[in-house]
Amino acid sequence: GAVVSQHPSWVICKSGTSVKIECRSLDFQATTMFWYRQFPKQSLMLMATSNEGSKATYEQGVEKDKFLINHASLTLSTLTVTSAHPEDSSFYICSANLQSTDTQYFGPGTRLTVL
Amino acid sequence: DQQVKQNSPSLSVQEGRISILNCDYTNSMFDYFLWYKKYPAEGPTFLISISSIKDKNEDGRFTVFLNKSAKHLSLHIVPSQPGDSAVYFCAASAQGGGNKLTFGTGTQLKVEL
Repeated sequence: GAVVSQHPSWVICKSGTSVKIECRSLDFQATTMFWYRQFPKQSLMLMATSNEGSKATYEQGVEKDKFLINHASLTLSTLTVTSAHPEDSSFYICSANLQSTDTQYFGPGTRLTVL
Repeated sequence: DQQVKQNSPSLSVQEGRISILNCDYTNSMFDYFLWYKKYPAEGPTFLISISSIKDKNEDGRFTVFLNKSAKHLSLHIVPSQPGDSAVYFCAASAQGGGNKLTFGTGTQLKVEL
């Protein structure tokens, strides 16, 4: 139980294009999902909290117009990196809270490379 | 401001011995702590957690100890196995914080034969 998937697992795109990453909770419903990014040899940094049916809550310093989050159902949240630039290249990981617990379960991550 | 710190970036242990990974935190509002294991290019895998009302939680080879007065927690793995080699992150959340996790910087554990 508590499986979270991400798609795609890796993506390479040209500078200026937009990339959408999907995060799905496969065997449970998640009213809240989280998006993180991790730079090499660094910790996971929370970008935003995705709330089903409402606007996402962004952490300080994260541009909401650049990182668009949509949480349209209880099992799907999407992160769109708009007008991607090379500095957006990173490992993006989502997580979902198993309801009634405080434990977050993570997806396998998406490696984004912007050329 | 690093609210959760793992001061040892790496740890090497012999197979069969105990691995002890340490984590310190500064935010006294944290009341729930978790340990995750992570391989390169993969998402973190949940290992074990502990609530601030407890000082110990055990699950198989993994035991987490919490010392609230020292704002310190540790993960003990015994016996250590080569498959335990990975990066271990501790994370903390605060009640009323919307379940947001603050992660430590990670400790690379290497279990040698």
